Amino acid sequence: DAGITQSPRHKVTETGTPVTLRCHQTENHRYMYWYRQDPGHGLRLIHYSYGVKDTDKGEVSDGYSVSRSKTEDFLLTLESATSSQTSVYFCAIAGLAGGELFFGEGSRLTVL
Amino acid sequence: KNEVEQSPQNLTAQEGEFITINCSYSVGISALHWLQQHPGGGIVSLFMLSSGKKKHGRLIATINIQEKHSSLHITASHPRDSAVYICATTYGGATNKLIFGTGTLLAVQP
Repeated sequence: DAGITQSPRHKVTETGTPVTLRCHQTENHRYMYWYRQDPGHGLRLIHYSYGVKDTDKGEVSDGYSVSRSKTEDFLLTLESATSSQTSVYFCAIAGLAGGELFFGEGSRLTVL
Repeated sequence: KNEVEQSPQNLTAQEGEFITINCSYSVGISALHWLQQHPGGGIVSLFMLSSGKKKHGRLIATINIQEKHSSLHITASHPRDSAVYICATTYGGATNKLIFGTGTLLAVQP
């Protein structure tokens, strides 16, 4: 299995609080992605990174920010969580553009 | 904008049956992925293909670039194949962004 871990795996928080999800990889892969998965929707891209300090927005980036200060870590931050951000968040990595994807186990976030 | 559509959305089969899940997309792509997600579980990559056909065990994936269509076949289905199967297409050149279908929920009954 690819070395990719997400933390925390479960979190319950209140509206208006900041939340940071961490994705850590041991594969030295260049590409890292954050997705959210909601009933009735396919996985939707929030942000992605194509190298250290190189990030860009996905289709549902409003309310989220990311940082990648080193190859192995990709952080997703909700500056002020809202109930609409209740979701399951998946991190994924890939070594090559168009290459095979490896997913983390997901982080379930509930915003009350 | 690339749209990815899967059919059927839900599928129930008896153990041993041959299963086909379809995926259609609307614009040219560089690769197509098939993923598997068990209930409450993580997501596993089954195949990545850009042309032709790939086989792994009882799973076969095909793609027709001209028709913008891919199929995932499961031969001799088993209850452990019960999962959500997700199709995703890669576009965007070097950035490897993906667009996902909404998935097909497969239940294989013993």
